[in-house]
Amino acid sequence: EAAVTQSPRNKVTVTGGNVTLSCRQTNSHNYMYWYRQDTGHGLRLIHYSYGAGNLQIGDVPDGYKATRTTQEDFFLLLELASPSQTSLYFCASSDDWGGSYEQYFGPGTRLTVL
Amino acid sequence: GQQVQQSPASLVLQEGENAELQCNFSSTATQLQWFYQRPGGSLVSLLYNPSGTKHTGRLTSTTVTKERRSSLHISSSQITDSGTYFCAMERAGYQNFYFGKGTSLTVIP
Repeated sequence: EAAVTQSPRNKVTVTGGNVTLSCRQTNSHNYMYWYRQDTGHGLRLIHYSYGAGNLQIGDVPDGYKATRTTQEDFFLLLELASPSQTSLYFCASSDDWGGSYEQYFGPGTRLTVL
Repeated sequence: GQQVQQSPASLVLQEGENAELQCNFSSTATQLQWFYQRPGGSLVSLLYNPSGTKHTGRLTSTTVTKERRSSLHISSSQITDSGTYFCAMERAGYQNFYFGKGTSLTVIP
């Protein structure tokens, strides 16, 4: 069964802090995505990748970096966290571009920036 | 501006009733998917339907591309259908995904 895991599940940091969110998929999927979900906004695509070393910009990339180190691992980096980045973050993977392929989501990471 | 508008924002049904969820998008969509988020927060893809009508189980999606709209029909709703339903589209010429704000469905006994 397709599996996407995220860590940590919850994270609290202070303004200006450095945060790394991790995502691992064991589906052998090519595409991986980072989304944020805020009340009243649905999900918004931050970054995505179609393979190790590749990075593409999504709809709301400002303040975020991402890195795909292997086929399995995709990281989201917040180098100077701000309260506006308090959100629920989801990682997902799909075999091909998610517009036409099923996406498999991780359980989410709740980030609070004080 | 908001690329995808969903209606209604919330819906309460009695078990066994049918649900009709609407999705309208402000530009031509090349891809269109419906997603479901359980009350506990987990997300799943439901249907990929860029045009025409597609069925899976009790779900039917109809997308009319030139009218920039899609609908999701849930027949004989069950309590376990409760949650939030999102549509998401990819704009023509952009490899990017835009989600609506969702429709919150509550099915009561």
